Amino acid sequence: QVQLQQSGPGLVKPSQTLSLTCAISGDSVSSNSATWHWIRQSPSRGLEWLGRTYYRSKWYYDYAVSVKSRIIISPDTSKNQFSLQLNSVTPEDTALYYCARAGAFNYYTMDVWGQGTTVTVSS
Amino acid sequence: QSALTQPASVSGSPGQSITISCTGTSSDVGGYGYVSWYQQHPGKAPKLMIYEVSNRPSGVSTRFSGSKSGNTASLTISGLQAEDEADYYCSSYTTSTTLVFGGGTKLTVL
Repeated sequence: QVQLQQSGPGLVKPSQTLSLTCAISGDSVSSNSATWHWIRQSPSRGLEWLGRTYYRSKWYYDYAVSVKSRIIISPDTSKNQFSLQLNSVTPEDTALYYCARAGAFNYYTMDVWGQGTTVTVSS
Repeated sequence: QSALTQPASVSGSPGQSITISCTGTSSDVGGYGYVSWYQQHPGKAPKLMIYEVSNRPSGVSTRFSGSKSGNTASLTISGLQAEDEADYYCSSYTTSTTLVFGGGTKLTVL
């Protein structure tokens, strides 16, 4: 059974970097049959897809246009996890952040979700 | 990439059927068969209910069904039950190799 365990700070100051990690059990971040995603949720924006990474002989990354200039998603094969970095945050980045896997059915349907991490951007 | 359009709320009585629409464009919903539907109860992570427009994962009730016509996908819940009361979100793959979600629909079981 695949499980995702999120970790990271719940409070980030404006202009700083938001960093979250998603530890994977029951699957591999290097799997050729899965993709690994970050999604956030806020009352104003609902669910918002942020980006994904996946390995197919090399690493690939896709990012939402809305955050493309500020986001980095990084796999860590030694720890079997992947991370989210969002730079230059503002209060608009305050949200509940989820990591998720797509792979049981196709590469675009999230079948496993992390528990969620509430991140507040405030000084 | 604009969010897919869903009604903010729908309601129905126990035993009735309801349908939630999800409207996009030919660059997402209309152009691909990768529409998914998620159910979210308060304080919980989203749960996959439908994938690839009309397929149900194992364990999801047959009361949930999905379809698509043109740029609009739909989720139908038949035989409404109290536990179906939740928020529902659609998502679609897009031409930009990204994913986009709908704004969400709050289902109230009267």
